[in-house]
Amino acid sequence: NAGVMQNPRHLVRRRGQEARLRCSPMKGHSHVYWYRQLPEEGLKFMVYLQKENIIDESGMPKERFSAEFPKEGPSILRIQQVVRGDSAAYFCASSLYRRDGRGEEQYFGPGTRLTVT
Amino acid sequence: QKEVEQNSGPLSVPEGAIASLNCTYSDRGSQSFFWYRQYSGKSPELIMFIYSNGDKEDGRFTAQLNKASQYVSLLIRDSQPSDSATYLCAVRGTENNAGNMLTFGGGTRLMVKP
Repeated sequence: NAGVMQNPRHLVRRRGQEARLRCSPMKGHSHVYWYRQLPEEGLKFMVYLQKENIIDESGMPKERFSAEFPKEGPSILRIQQVVRGDSAAYFCASSLYRRDGRGEEQYFGPGTRLTVT
Repeated sequence: QKEVEQNSGPLSVPEGAIASLNCTYSDRGSQSFFWYRQYSGKSPELIMFIYSNGDKEDGRFTAQLNKASQYVSLLIRDSQPSDSATYLCAVRGTENNAGNMLTFGGGTRLMVKP
């Protein structure tokens, strides 16, 4: 399966613990995006990364959240000291990118459902 | 604040009918437009994208874009019960937006009744 892969699919953490969510982009894609979907709410952009670079993190909370996309391995979204309000579905998407703006379609992974108890 | 607006629904249509889903956006410089389908508890699935004014057809789906009116729509012909899902409109902003991010509408829930 050459689609976007995310793991774990479900993650339960107690308040104060750390959550690590992983995303491997679709084969050939070098751009990764993280989105969050709170219960009964829409999808909200968090961060956009290329290999070893954060391009846009305007949607990510300033505290406790961080993201990386290393040269080797998956992209990681890390949430430190989780709180109940972090409970949500976290989706990763990936895309190609061309200078003419085409080929930019984003394909989503299955998501990680985070539950904070 | 860039906004993408959709009627939340539910939009109920009988099987075999045409379902018409609408979306408006606030950023006049928006470049690219996408429709995703999301089943309950699942991830968004890309079903159509459109970059130029006019219509784009793919099977039973037609996307329509009118940049002057800042309006994009999705038509589903011969609707099937399996089309019952939430349809998300997404917009990519201006060319100098280094973020390349998508702004999503709240989604329209479609129900196709047998």
